[in-house]
Amino acid sequence: AQSVTQPDIHITVSEGASLELRCNYSYGATPYLFWYVQSPGQGLQLLLKYFSGDTLVQGIKGFEAEFKRSQSSFNLRKPSVHWSDAAEYFCAVRAYSGAGSYQLTFGKGTKLSVIP
Amino acid sequence: DVKVTQSSRYLVKRTGEKVFLECVQDMDHENMFWYRQDPGLGLRLIYFSYDVKMKEKGDIPEGYSVSREKKERFSLILESASTNQTSMYLCASSLSSKGWNEQFFGPGTRLTVL
Repeated sequence: AQSVTQPDIHITVSEGASLELRCNYSYGATPYLFWYVQSPGQGLQLLLKYFSGDTLVQGIKGFEAEFKRSQSSFNLRKPSVHWSDAAEYFCAVRAYSGAGSYQLTFGKGTKLSVIP
Repeated sequence: DVKVTQSSRYLVKRTGEKVFLECVQDMDHENMFWYRQDPGLGLRLIYFSYDVKMKEKGDIPEGYSVSREKKERFSLILESASTNQTSMYLCASSLSSKGWNEQFFGPGTRLTVL
């Protein structure tokens, strides 16, 4: 069965510092991978996605993620964090759920705090 | 833009009440999903539907049922609410089962069962 692990429950960074959020997945086939962000009191918003091609994917709000098949990882990065990036971040993998349909399996999330 | 709306942002109910959470999407998406989100547990899939009147159990369907009579609307039903169903409930939709299957989320309903 597919699974997603986000090893860091909570990360605190200073504004302007670089950021890397870790994500490891387990899935037998070629994965579709996603990063979502959830601002306080809001639903989830898609940051970026990967299926094939260039392993470095650019997303919205200045985020990027790198797919490394050998490490089963899809880490999210941002070179300079802004206070508005404080939120919870979820990594997800698309997996076949039977009857011709797919669903997303989410990690447990990493909460990002930003110090001014 | 895709819009997924949920009928209530906050809801307070009593133990044993029947609770309806409504979700509507305006982009003619085939698939709709209900998740619950709890601190430290992330998002867990309750039910999903890939067509009108079709439903599939997710990872934690116990204590819940769903209804999809129209393509744009997906309802989550708590037949007899219990305190352990206090949670944030998120609805999502996606265009189809093929391709990216990118899901679009509503703002969530925070349900408190007293």
